[in-house]
Amino acid sequence: GAVVSQHPSWVICKSGTSVKIECRSLDFQATTMFWYRQFPKQSLMLMATSNEGSKATYEQGVEKDKFLINHASLTLSTLTVTSAHPEDSSFYICSARGTSGGPSITDTQYFGPGTRLTVL
Amino acid sequence: GQNIDQPTEMTATEGAIVQINCTYQTSGFNGLFWYQQHAGEAPTFLSYNVLDGLEEKGRFSSFLSRSKGYSYLLLKELQMKDSASYLCAVMDSNYQLIWGAGTKLIIKP
Repeated sequence: GAVVSQHPSWVICKSGTSVKIECRSLDFQATTMFWYRQFPKQSLMLMATSNEGSKATYEQGVEKDKFLINHASLTLSTLTVTSAHPEDSSFYICSARGTSGGPSITDTQYFGPGTRLTVL
Repeated sequence: GQNIDQPTEMTATEGAIVQINCTYQTSGFNGLFWYQQHAGEAPTFLSYNVLDGLEEKGRFSSFLSRSKGYSYLLLKELQMKDSASYLCAVMDSNYQLIWGAGTKLIIKP
C-alpha cells in the first residue's frame, strides 16, 4: 500500500518551454501533497504544500507564478514549471500524505520516484 | 529557529552495526521520521517514532528521547545495499516536516 507514482521520470526541454509533472497516489486518497526539489548532494527542499481543492502554499523564495501547482483531486497533483531555464534543472519529488495532520503513523509522507528535469 | 542535525557522512563495514544520530530543535513535536534515499532515487519511509523508546523493524531500529531532542537509527548486519543517505525529519506543531541534511552511509566490504 501507499504507492505514489510520478510522471515523467525524466524530461529534457529547451529553455523557455513549460514542463508539467504529474503526481498520483495510487492506492490511497491524499488530502495533502508536497512538492520538493533536490539539487545534487543536497537535502530535500520543500517548494510547496497543496491540499485538494485549495490553493497551494508556497515556501519562501519559491515563485508561485513560475511553479504552478494544481491539486484537483484526492489522487492527483500537478506541478508545471513555466518558462523553464537551465537553473531550474533539478530532481523534483512529490510526496503524498493521507490525513489532514496529527501525531500518527498515518501522517507519513510517501514519495513518488521523482522527476529529473534538465533544461538546455 | 528550527534545526535538525545529523552527521554528514559515516563509514561502516559489511556485517557490522552502525548508529546514525539525529538531534533536533523544533517548534513543537508530532513525531520523527527516518527515510532512506539511494543516490538518484526518492526517499523511502523507514520508521516513525512519536513516543520515547525503541522501535524495532527487522535489521533497522529507531530510538527516540523527546526530552533530549534526540533520535538514532540503528542498522544491524549491514549489507552493501544499505549504502545510501539516511534522512531524519521531524514533524513540528504545524504538522510540517523539517528535514535534516541527511547522513551518507558508506558500506565497505
